[in-house]
Amino acid sequence: SQQGEEDPQALSIQEGENATMNCSYKTSINNLQWYRQNSGRGLVHLILIRSNEREKHSGRLRVTLDTSKKSSSLLITASRAADTASYFCATEHGGATNKLIFGTGTLLAVQP
Amino acid sequence: DAGITQSPRHKVTETGTPVTLRCHQTENHRYMYWYRQDPGHGLRLIHYSYGVKDTDKGEVSDGYSVSRSKTEDFLLTLESATSSQTSVYFCAITGGDEPDTQYFGPGTRLTVL
Repeated sequence: SQQGEEDPQALSIQEGENATMNCSYKTSINNLQWYRQNSGRGLVHLILIRSNEREKHSGRLRVTLDTSKKSSSLLITASRAADTASYFCATEHGGATNKLIFGTGTLLAVQP
Repeated sequence: DAGITQSPRHKVTETGTPVTLRCHQTENHRYMYWYRQDPGHGLRLIHYSYGVKDTDKGEVSDGYSVSRSKTEDFLLTLESATSSQTSVYFCAITGGDEPDTQYFGPGTRLTVL
């Protein structure tokens, strides 16, 4: 399986703290994406970073990509209780089918 | 949920019975996907479609078939459901202004007894 790995599997922090989660993958990519899933809901796209980019920002989110290490990190700054969710990385690899391979996810709990 | 609906939202069925899940989109997007989500495995691709009557297998396609006779509908069929197919099933679409981004439906929770 090409499935990516996420680290940590679970993370618990206090409101206002930063949360960092990591994703590793196995083969070269076109892009890497992060999604959020609230309990019992579908996934929601957060941010996409292409293989020729190293860092990207969107609001309180910062994503980095190191293609030499085949890894990415997602930083959520000044976390809020509403950020409590599971976060998944997904990678797109070659071809024109727009297929994504999802990681196993990080469960983030932000304590008020 | 970006104009995507799934039906039914919940279903309990018995081993050996056929089951069909429906994904409907109002976005006119070309690509549609079926995933299953299980604890410890994240999302795994079952089948996908890149146009009407154009489908292909994903990572975990055994025991599943799909059909797409109209742009807006993508059907997932379990010909003879097994307990190992108990899962949450998500449909996704991609296309439009952000062709690399997938938009997900609300999911269908299927229990096979």
